[in-house]
Amino acid sequence: TQLLEQSPQFLSIQEGENLTVYCNSSSVFSSLQWYRQEPGEGPVLLVTVVTGGEVKKLKRLTFQFGDARKDSSLHITAAQPGDTGLYLCAGAGAGGTSYGKLTFGQGTILTVHP
Amino acid sequence: DTGVSQDPRHKITKRGQNVTFRCDPISEHNRLYWYRQTLGQGPEFLTYFQNEAQLEKSRLLSDRFSAERPKGSFSTLEIQRTEQGDSAMYLCASSLEGAYNEQFFGPGTRLTVL
Repeated sequence: TQLLEQSPQFLSIQEGENLTVYCNSSSVFSSLQWYRQEPGEGPVLLVTVVTGGEVKKLKRLTFQFGDARKDSSLHITAAQPGDTGLYLCAGAGAGGTSYGKLTFGQGTILTVHP
Repeated sequence: DTGVSQDPRHKITKRGQNVTFRCDPISEHNRLYWYRQTLGQGPEFLTYFQNEAQLEKSRLLSDRFSAERPKGSFSTLEIQRTEQGDSAMYLCASSLEGAYNEQFFGPGTRLTVL
């Protein structure tokens, strides 16, 4: 079973602060995706990383895929209240095990206070 | 261009009743997925289709659950004899085969079983 451990589970910060969310596994993933979800809505895809060591930037968000493709991080610089939401990492299988489904972490609930 | 759509957005039913949900994927996507998400958790995989073929089913998908994608376009998820434990958000996603498994989600159907 491929498991993704996400930390922290909750994060409450002030506007302007920086933060990092971690996603770790003992399994190697062929690709890893980060999503953001608002209450009552479906997850919205932020980024996909596929190469070990890859770094992608999306405005104030920086995503990194670990060299061994087992872990990833999301760093937000100068957080704003609009960043509030549930952040989910999700991995697609490697080693011939189910390239179809995504395995999700349990999510990080981020609250940014004005 | 429309994204993934789901209908209905909310469903309240009594225990023992049958319910059916519909998902319309992004038009050019040949893969369609169903996930279930409970409060405070990441989505859990239920099943997925490539065109009209159902390629994988999770052990979470009991005999009371059935999914179809008869013409390789929209899909339906039926739950028979609903139980209170079936209360959850049911999410549908679609993707293009081979596109790093980037899945795009619909807004979900919130099921409440009384």
